[in-house]
Amino acid sequence: GNSVTQMEGPVTLSEEAFLTINCTYTATGYPSLFWYVQYPGEGLQLLLKATKADDKGSNKGFEATYRKETTSFHLEKGSVQVSDSAVYFCALGGGGNKLTFGTGTQLKVEL
Amino acid sequence: DAGVTQSPTHLIKTRGQHVTLRCSPISGHKSVSWYQQVLGQGPQFIFQYYEKEERGRGNFPDRFSARQFPNYSSELNVNALLLGDSALYLCASSLGTGDLRNEQFFGPGTRLTVL
Repeated sequence: GNSVTQMEGPVTLSEEAFLTINCTYTATGYPSLFWYVQYPGEGLQLLLKATKADDKGSNKGFEATYRKETTSFHLEKGSVQVSDSAVYFCALGGGGNKLTFGTGTQLKVEL
Repeated sequence: DAGVTQSPTHLIKTRGQHVTLRCSPISGHKSVSWYQQVLGQGPQFIFQYYEKEERGRGNFPDRFSARQFPNYSSELNVNALLLGDSALYLCASSLGTGDLRNEQFFGPGTRLTVL
């Protein structure tokens, strides 16, 4: 079945540091890939998505590229801010509207 | 415009009881999905409903059931509650189904605690 593996947290960075959160997946076919963010006390929000191989999703300075050859969708940001502190979930799309999520990576950004 | 709304926000039940969680999708959205998020884990897919019909079911026991109403709102029911059912239950709505380019919008969730 489909599965998503993402790096464990928490990840602690200083403001303006470079961020990478690794995500790899196992799936049949070519699923759509997503990054969701969950800020403290809030629901999940879609951060970015990619629907086919080599697509790059981007939003709010975050980027991720759909790599079919390595089955990866790593999240990157060049300069993180304290306001980026949240839990980040990698997810893949299956049949219907089903999303399969990773376990989440907590990011803490300090001044 | 209102986003996805869920009620109640928090709920405390005891083992063996029954619970009903409610979700109202964004206006115009016809698909509702339910997810269970255990503390420290990612959300797990429970059900998807579209146009009042079940379109997908995750690996959950028959104690879990759901339905969608003509106004596209939805209920999730859990019978014979177990301690392991304690989790955040998330509802997501989208315009349609089968095309994940339709963004799913998540509600704030219902926190269920089973004692």
